[in-house]
Amino acid sequence: DAGVTQSPTHLIKTRGQHVTLRCSPISGHKSVSWYQQVLGQGPQFIFQYYEKEERGRGNFPDRFSARQFPNYSSELNVNALLLGDSALYLCASSLIRDGWDQPQHFGDGTRLSIL
Amino acid sequence: AQSVTQLGSHVSVSEGALVLLRCNYSSSVPPYLFWYVQYPNQGLQLLLKYTTGATLVKGINGFEAEFKKSETSFHLTKPSAHMSDAAEYFCAVSDGIKAAGNKLTFGGGTRVLVKP
Repeated sequence: DAGVTQSPTHLIKTRGQHVTLRCSPISGHKSVSWYQQVLGQGPQFIFQYYEKEERGRGNFPDRFSARQFPNYSSELNVNALLLGDSALYLCASSLIRDGWDQPQHFGDGTRLSIL
Repeated sequence: AQSVTQLGSHVSVSEGALVLLRCNYSSSVPPYLFWYVQYPNQGLQLLLKYTTGATLVKGINGFEAEFKKSETSFHLTKPSAHMSDAAEYFCAVSDGIKAAGNKLTFGGGTRVLVKP
């Protein structure tokens, strides 16, 4: 079975631009979460979506937004990019079984560089 | 609010020696704890998890961890290091595993170097 897939794998943008990152969860997984991992640090939670609704949001500015589609894939959008947005963006999906969230499975991430 | 502290950002071990990675957590609710491993240019792979029940948890690749509530710790061990264990390891705590805003809070990571 295919794991969590993210696209693109690498991206270079300049300050002020907008970026869209994409994630396809493991088949059957309805929950998708996004994390930001700055070089040398642990991942930081950005969003969780379940059944196309936002279920959690981390401490990130409104420049960050996301959505989940009917096929459970997801997009993360970042507007007005800053140098500090340079990071590895990780998507994770999980299976909800009997109302309980199973462990999250991570994709390989999108490495975003801001010039 | 939850938090995770990993003691030691870098650990160097000899091949065949014990690997011990330390993790302490803070949580206002019963914690669910995880260890993930990250190889260069890759995402995170789940090593093991603790939710409820037995406090000694066995994971993949010969790793295990013990939940100690009194010490708020969840240290990761492997009896004999292998060269392939060189990677970065993250401890994480969840505020619940019900499908409502569940999120992982990660520690800063520990990079493991294995010497031949």
